[in-house]
Amino acid sequence: ETGVTQSPTHLIKTRGQQVTLRCSSQSGHNTVSWYQQALGQGPQFIFQYYREEENGRGNFPPRFSGLQFPNYSSELNVNALELDDSALYLCASSVQGKNTEAFFGQGTRLTVV
Amino acid sequence: AQSVTQLDSQVPVFEEAPVELRCNYSSSVSVYLFWYVQYPNQGLQLLLKYLSGSTLVKGINGFEAEFNKSQTSFHLRKPSVHISDTAEYFCAVSKTGGYQKVTFGTGTKLQVIP
Repeated sequence: ETGVTQSPTHLIKTRGQQVTLRCSSQSGHNTVSWYQQALGQGPQFIFQYYREEENGRGNFPPRFSGLQFPNYSSELNVNALELDDSALYLCASSVQGKNTEAFFGQGTRLTVV
Repeated sequence: AQSVTQLDSQVPVFEEAPVELRCNYSSSVSVYLFWYVQYPNQGLQLLLKYLSGSTLVKGINGFEAEFNKSQTSFHLRKPSVHISDTAEYFCAVSKTGGYQKVTFGTGTKLQVIP
């Protein structure tokens, strides 16, 4: 049991809309990373947040943005949704700079129609 | 940058038979290595991890993996599989220190045949 929780678990959006996904990190963890897992693929790193700032980004366009709050929880925002944005979005929390690994939440399944 | 290669996209195996899922990685720096399991319509569950120390790592559900630095491999093994092991398995790597972006392989679907 990782302690990382994500909401909502599922949602359906229309192409062109905007969506916000939420993640609560495990107690004591100060870093949150977001991943996109398309159907039949491995997860792809979107970005990471530490101290409320973006601390690394994968190959995703600027319409993917995020926030981290003082309590270390995080949001992933996606603007101008495209059909290819349909995927499982995974959040992972960790401790910056320590010998540990990231713990993953159960994900949010986003379907864009 | 790190990369992970899982050569087998699907592995069918009979129940109670042994299985090995192969993983090779590439990195110019020291890394941590992981195996995750994903059941249908679920998130990722950590099976085992190599951070340092003994190269033979034991995980949950009877799985184990061996870190081989010279061959840059981290193969996952189980001596006797069960129907409930049917799932997708992802090998992953992250560099030690710094920000811990995890790079995943493309996954191996393990299908256990009764």
